[in-house]
Amino acid sequence: DVKVTQSSRYLVKRTGEKVFLECVQDMDHENMFWYRQDPGLGLRLIYFSYDVKMKEKGDIPEGYSVSREKKERFSLILESASTNQTSMYLCASSFLQIRDLGIDSNQPQHFGDGTRLSIL
Amino acid sequence: KQEVTQIPAALSVPEGENLVLNCSFTDSAIYNLQWFRQDPGKGLTSLLLIQSSQREQTSGRLNASLDKSSGRSTLYIAASQPGDSATYLCAVRDRNTGGFKTIFGAGTRLFVKA
Repeated sequence: DVKVTQSSRYLVKRTGEKVFLECVQDMDHENMFWYRQDPGLGLRLIYFSYDVKMKEKGDIPEGYSVSREKKERFSLILESASTNQTSMYLCASSFLQIRDLGIDSNQPQHFGDGTRLSIL
Repeated sequence: KQEVTQIPAALSVPEGENLVLNCSFTDSAIYNLQWFRQDPGKGLTSLLLIQSSQREQTSGRLNASLDKSSGRSTLYIAASQPGDSATYLCAVRDRNTGGFKTIFGAGTRLFVKA
């Protein structure tokens, strides 16, 4: 079974702190994603990575950065935490989409259990 | 821009009922559509994935259909049980962004009464 592990289930930090959220997957997936989930807004993509040291901005990257130094690990960094970053953060991973070959892909995303982050 | 809508937002049914959850999307340029289940305070669990060339997928009491041309998918749950109570989300892998972006609906919160 695919295992996506997020380092903390619950985290409480103070405004202005630098916060690290860690995610590790054990299936050798190329793609990794960070989402945040808020009531009424659903899941929104923050950043994703399709290879080591590669990263792409999602829909709401402001105030966040990411690091992918190893294939299995994708870190989300809140540079200076603010109260509006209080949320549920979800990490996901999947195999690479074979888009260039025009082949429909059957590569589901697998999610971790989430980190509920509170910024005081 | 791809948008995914799920109706209804919430649903309460008695145990044993068959039910249908609806998902619609605005752009048919997708690689696949995935249905997830989310329990309160937890992450997402993948239930079914339908490739864009497929019409349906089945797993146990679950059956998901896809009509790409009309931008619709349904998740059919047979003989519902209290353990099925959860939020169900659908998501499309958007072809226009090279397949890297998955667009999620807001979910349908299901409550099955014993």
